Amino acid sequence: DAKTTQPNSMESNEEEPVHLPCNHSTISGTDYIHWYRQLPSQGPEYVIHGLTSNVNNRMASLAIAEDRKSSTLILHRATLRDAAVYYCILGNSGGSNYKLTFGKGTLLTVNP
Amino acid sequence: NAGVTQTPKFRVLKTGQSMTLLCAQDMNHEYMYWYRQDPGMGLRLIHYSVGEGTTAKGEVPDGYNVSRLKKQNFLLGLESAAPSQTSVYFCASADTHHQPQHFGDGTRLSIL
Repeated sequence: DAKTTQPNSMESNEEEPVHLPCNHSTISGTDYIHWYRQLPSQGPEYVIHGLTSNVNNRMASLAIAEDRKSSTLILHRATLRDAAVYYCILGNSGGSNYKLTFGKGTLLTVNP
Repeated sequence: NAGVTQTPKFRVLKTGQSMTLLCAQDMNHEYMYWYRQDPGMGLRLIHYSVGEGTTAKGEVPDGYNVSRLKKQNFLLGLESAAPSQTSVYFCASADTHHQPQHFGDGTRLSIL
């Protein structure tokens, strides 16, 4: 399975943009890039996902490198409620055994 | 809208006891998953189901059994609990295999 590499932790200030990087140099052509986040004592929450093109939704933006070997999750204005562990995950779209493999993620701290 | 509901939320067992964790979803999703999360770690997939009456093994299936008799329910069983199974268990569901997974709030299980 293709793996991802994320920094263990990052810090941001409230109301500033946050760029969370993810490297996935062994990504295959059919792998989707997913981002989830997990707030303390809660289950993971879907944030965004994409295949090749950049994606935007109400929560965040996903910027995917042209060679797809890396991506960046962008939170446009961090709030205290965005403090969480962010997971970058590759999911293979081939076949019915589509699984997400969670790594340790990036712990984002947001300072007031 | 309840989404994904897990019961119980907490449980303490003695080694060798058995129990069943229940996951219920009201979104008519085909895919359901069971994960475990140990302290400081990401989630690991135990078993999953791609539809009513189907189950498949994930990354760490040993010591667990599952059943999907009804589309909305996915049961995780521990036949003979061991201390190594102390963990937080998360259930998730998804509409199709590459769509976002929706997670429950988890079951915190301690085995003495």
